[in-house]
Amino acid sequence: GAVVSQHPSWVICKSGTSVKIECRSLDFQATTMFWYRQFPKQSLMLMATSNEGSKATYEQGVEKDKFLINHASLTLSTLTVTSAHPEDSSFYICSAGRTSGSNNEQFFGPGTRLTVL
Amino acid sequence: AQSVTQLDSQVPVFEEAPVELRCNYSSSVSVYLFWYVQYPNQGLQLLLKYLSGSTLVKGINGFEAEFNKSQTSFHLRKPSVHISDTAEYFCAVVGGTSYGKLTFGQGTILTVHP
Repeated sequence: GAVVSQHPSWVICKSGTSVKIECRSLDFQATTMFWYRQFPKQSLMLMATSNEGSKATYEQGVEKDKFLINHASLTLSTLTVTSAHPEDSSFYICSAGRTSGSNNEQFFGPGTRLTVL
Repeated sequence: AQSVTQLDSQVPVFEEAPVELRCNYSSSVSVYLFWYVQYPNQGLQLLLKYLSGSTLVKGINGFEAEFNKSQTSFHLRKPSVHISDTAEYFCAVVGGTSYGKLTFGQGTILTVHP
């Protein structure tokens, strides 16, 4: 149990286009999902926290108008990179939070490799 | 706010040797601590976590870690590594008042040589 999927696993796009990445919790409901970005040879940096049915909370320095997050259901959150540029090329990883009693845990998706030409 | 420091960016080791990956954290509140493993071009897999109770935590794949509050450390250990343990390892912390917002260390690349 506790499987999180991401689609697509990799995408190449032209500069100026928009790209949508989906994150799904396959066998549990996640009221909270998180989006991280990982540049080559660096750690994961939290971009935003997504709560089902409400606006996402963005970390300092992350442009909310550029990285649109929608959490329309308890099993799906989407990240749209609008007007992508080469500097947006990165590995994007989502995670879904699951609460079991007093135990809170995040389960990570396999990541999406975005390359902007 | 919390921060995590992984003291070694790369750790080379021979197969069947013991290994320790070091992690120190800072926080003004109580914390939950995690170790994750990441294989190339993949997401993160949880190795183990410390929430409360016994300070020695055992995880998957033979890994264990010890929470040391006085030294603010959470070092990861394995008594005998395998080639398949070659990966990048991340230490992470969640502050007691900030559920879910994981702060990651810089990562340690473990390379196991035959």
